[in-house]
Amino acid sequence: SQKIEQNSEALNIQEGKTATLTCNYTNYSPAYLQWYRQDPGRGPVFLLLIRENEKEKRKERLKVTFDTTLKQSLFHITASQPADSATYLCALGGMDSSYKLIFGSGTRLLVRP
Amino acid sequence: GAVVSQHPSRVICKSGTSVKIECRSLDFQATTMFWYRQFPKKSLMLMATSNEGSKATYEQGVEKDKFLINHASLTLSTLTVTSAHPEDSSFYICSALVEGASNQPQHFGDGTRLSIL
Repeated sequence: SQKIEQNSEALNIQEGKTATLTCNYTNYSPAYLQWYRQDPGRGPVFLLLIRENEKEKRKERLKVTFDTTLKQSLFHITASQPADSATYLCALGGMDSSYKLIFGSGTRLLVRP
Repeated sequence: GAVVSQHPSRVICKSGTSVKIECRSLDFQATTMFWYRQFPKKSLMLMATSNEGSKATYEQGVEKDKFLINHASLTLSTLTVTSAHPEDSSFYICSALVEGASNQPQHFGDGTRLSIL
């Protein structure tokens, strides 16, 4: 069956450390993968997109990797801050001719001051 | 740029009422909009893809007569939950794609919290 898995348990880290979140998928062949941030009671906000032919993408303190062999994406936040506390969602896209995204259930990140 | 406005943000109503939710792209044209439903601590579940000027495409298991979608213009899509019941209570979120974009990000509204008593 098709699955997208993100750690269901919250990730609790100290301010200044690097947060690493994992997105694993099974029986999908995405052309691209996106990461979103969602705060409580709000809609998701786009962070980064990485295509299947890209290994790594960076944006300021954010870094995303994409390994199509392992069927895994890693999302890193360096020098984390309490303001980074939120739920982070990965989403797979480009699996057919539509523009649909399939979302993981998200991982909650808590950054302690 | 790429702002999506969703209204209302919260609705509380009695069972049997029909509720309309609006999704507007404020500063861009959106040929395609999406409607999602999200349960607490769960993933966004795609309900339907809304295309301007044509019928919506519903995901498997979503009742199209229950969840009516209209996309009459390039900046507005509406979702009507007809004869709502307590099990329809959820967080409904819309998103929009910039016209002509394919693998570009979706721009989300801030959701509508629907509570049916």
